[in-house]
Amino acid sequence: TQLLEQSPQFLSIQEGENLTVYCNSSSVFSSLQWYRQEPGEGPVLLVTVVTGGEVKKLKRLTFQFGDARKDSSLHITAAQPGDTGLYLCAGGNTGTASKLTFGTGTRLQVTL
Amino acid sequence: KAGVTQTPRYLIKTRGQQVTLSCSPISGHRSVSWYQQTPGQGLQFLFEYFSETQRNKGNFPGRFSGRQFSNSRSEMNVSTLELGDSALYLCASSLEMPSYEQYFGPGTRLTVT
Repeated sequence: TQLLEQSPQFLSIQEGENLTVYCNSSSVFSSLQWYRQEPGEGPVLLVTVVTGGEVKKLKRLTFQFGDARKDSSLHITAAQPGDTGLYLCAGGNTGTASKLTFGTGTRLQVTL
Repeated sequence: KAGVTQTPRYLIKTRGQQVTLSCSPISGHRSVSWYQQTPGQGLQFLFEYFSETQRNKGNFPGRFSGRQFSNSRSEMNVSTLELGDSALYLCASSLEMPSYEQYFGPGTRLTVT
C-alpha cells in the first residue's frame, strides 16, 4: 500500500512569512499533484509535476518533485490570508492515474 | 465551462438505509472518480468509471457501488448505511484516461444517524 505523509500537520503563521510543506513516501509515483481545499468545498488542483527534480512556480508558490519521485515540497513566499486552507498532495501511477493516493494533509492558517 | 456538480450537497440518513449520490462531470470529461473524505482517514479512493465501465476500484466493501451513464454522469450508491459511512463524498472528473489531473466537485456531506 502506498502512503504519503505530509508535514507539518498544522501550521499557523502571520502574513508575510514564508513556509514549506513536505510530502514524503517510500514509494515511487509517476506524478504528484498538489491541491488546496477550503471548508465545505472540494479540493482545487494547484499543480501537477511528473519529472523527477521538476520545479514549478505559480506566483508565490513553488513546487518541487524529488529526484527519485518519492517526495515533493510546496514553498509559499510571503504568505497571505487568502492562502489559508488544507493543502493536499496526491500521487498517481501510470495505468491507474485516476486512482490518486492522497497525503495526510497540512492545515495552514495565515493571520494578519 | 461549468465545473463538476454534485447533488445533493447535504444528506441525513438513518443506519440501515441506502443512499444514492449523483455527479455531473465537466463537459467533455469521460472519466469520473469517487472519493470518501473523513477526518480520521483523509481522502480515500472509492472507484473510477470511464466510458460506463469501472476501471479502478479502491478497498471499500461491496456496499459501495457506482455506475456511469452514456452522458458520463455518474452515481454512487451505499447500501445498509453504517455510522462510519458519515463523510464528505467527492466526485472528480478528468479529460481522458490516463490523466493525472482531476477536477473535484464540491462534495456531498452525508450524515448517518
